[in-house]
Amino acid sequence: GAGVSQSPRYKVAKRGQDVALRCDPISGHVSLFWYQQALGQGPEFLTYFQNEAQLDKSGLPSDRFFAERPEGSVSTLKIQRTQQEDSAVYLCASSTTGAITDTQYFGPGTRLTVL
Amino acid sequence: LAKTTQPISMDSYEGQEVNITCSHNNIATNDYITWYQQFPSQGPRFIIQGYKTKVTNEVASLFIPADRKSSTLSLPRVSLSDTAVYYCLVGDKTGGFKTIFGAGTRLFVKA
Repeated sequence: GAGVSQSPRYKVAKRGQDVALRCDPISGHVSLFWYQQALGQGPEFLTYFQNEAQLDKSGLPSDRFFAERPEGSVSTLKIQRTQQEDSAVYLCASSTTGAITDTQYFGPGTRLTVL
Repeated sequence: LAKTTQPISMDSYEGQEVNITCSHNNIATNDYITWYQQFPSQGPRFIIQGYKTKVTNEVASLFIPADRKSSTLSLPRVSLSDTAVYYCLVGDKTGGFKTIFGAGTRLFVKA
């Protein structure tokens, strides 16, 4: 594929609904990151996968947030019982090794609005 | 992970050279310095990375003094399309995977 893709691009949810955000990384990239970006802020790290293994989930804000990458390629970020404070852009990035010195390639993001 | 400090915003005019400085007083021996650029409604995009002295590519130059406690991203002859947020990151190959972007520097280029 040409780059990282994310779907949907926009999602509106009512408070209390569950949502699932999808990320398709660059083919062959071992590492996958999820970030949350609030309006006017920089991306905040949520979680990291190396293949199918979730090696770091220290940035997930609560147990309502869950991410998976079962076959080591496509990843899904799930948010249960959404709250208004979950409104943000959710960015996915992939890289070859995952080290900070390795270039991360970002998708366009999914803008989540919780009403 | 070394903490970084950047100006919140900068203004410039088309055709000028823009220098954005990032402070990282606690940078570790193995840390590299990486800059990303983010346009509205897009994800960040890698610009340049360096360890010491000077690095140049087709987009920008990165100047790192000998003590490495700061670095300067230099954008030559900016255009309106360079209006974006610029992030400075510091870390090493073995420092784990948690990437910290900070708030970045909002560059606004005027005609």
